[in-house]
This record gives sequence, C-alpha cells and structure tokens, in this order.
Amino acid sequence: EDQVTQSPEALRLQEGESSSLNCSYTVSGLRGLFWYRQDPGKGPEFLFTLYSAGEEKEKERLKATLTKKESFLHITAPKPEDSATYLCAVQAQGNTPLVFGKGTRLSVIA
Amino acid sequence: DSGVTQTPKHLITATGQRVTLRCSPRSGDLSVYWYQQSLDQGLQFLIQYYNGEERAKGNILERFSAQQFPDLHSELNLSSLELGDSALYFCASSRNANEQFFGPGTRLTVL
Repeated sequence: EDQVTQSPEALRLQEGESSSLNCSYTVSGLRGLFWYRQDPGKGPEFLFTLYSAGEEKEKERLKATLTKKESFLHITAPKPEDSATYLCAVQAQGNTPLVFGKGTRLSVIA
Repeated sequence: DSGVTQTPKHLITATGQRVTLRCSPRSGDLSVYWYQQSLDQGLQFLIQYYNGEERAKGNILERFSAQQFPDLHSELNLSSLELGDSALYFCASSRNANEQFFGPGTRLTVL
C-alpha cells in the first residue's frame, strides 16, 4: 500500500530562519510526487511536481528535491506569509489517485 | 484562483439528511476528483471521474455517490448523514493525470 509520512507535524520558525520539511514515501512505481500549500479553510494550492530522483524545482523561497525514498521542501529566509500547512502527495504509475501525507503546519514568526 | 469552483461554500444540515455538493472543473480538464478532509484523517481520496466515466474509487462510503455530467461538472451526493461526515469536501481537476488543481471546498456540518 502506498504511504506518505511527513515530518515534523508542526514547525515554528523565526522570520529569516531557513529550514526543511520532510516527506518520506513508499509507492509501487512512482509516477510523480507533488507538493501543495494549504491555508486554513482553503483548498490546497499546487506548488511543485517532481518525477525522478535527483530532480529539483524552485519557486521564490521554496525549493523541492527528490530522492528514491523521500522529498524535502527547503524554505529559505521564510516570511510570515509563508505560514501554512504544506502537503506532500505521491501518485503511482497507472494514473492512480494521489495519496497525501497529513502535512506539516508551518508558522513563521516576525 | 485555481479555476475550479465549488458550491455551496458552507452547508449545515441534520443527521439523516441528504445533500448535494457541486463542482465545476477548470476549462479543458476532463478529470474530476473528490476528497474528504477531516482534522484527524487528512485528505482522503473518495472518487475520480474522467469524461463522464468513473475511473477510480477510494474509501467512499456506500451512502455517498457521485457523477460527472456531459458539461463535465460533477456532483457528490451524501445521504443518511451522520455526525462523522462533518468535514471539508474538496473537488480537484486535472488535464493529463498530472497536477491536480483544487477548488475552495465545501464545509459540511452535520448537527
């Protein structure tokens, strides 16, 4: 069974304090790994798709990386507006549904 | 704004009742997915439709059903509602089975 585990569950950072969020996964043939950002009471907002080990993608202060067992979302010099829950999801080969982790709740304090 | 719309935004109803949630996908997207999000369970996949046909089923209860219409909008029907059905329900759409774009959700409260 495909599984996604995200850590830590919650992370509190000072503004400007860089850190990383972890997403460990087991999947029978990875088609893609997805990162989403979710604000309270809102729908998840798509951030990145990674397809193969070694791939990296960047967007503003966020950088996502992928290995064969895990993905990291690196946040460089975060700002309070980066506060949100970050969700990781995997999709197996064959157009199967996404399997989501429970997310990391990030708080960035000014 | 993802381009996916959902109505209603909020729904408050009583146990035993039936409700219908509606979703309009992004223009050009043929796939529609329904998810349930509760505080302790995270995002759980319910069901997927592709161009009107059911494509995949997740942990969807028998009391729940869905369909996708010729204009590609989708409806999720929840019946014999229980307190535990209270959750956020999200619809997502995709064009090529890659990135899914989520709507703003419907918050269902069962009293």
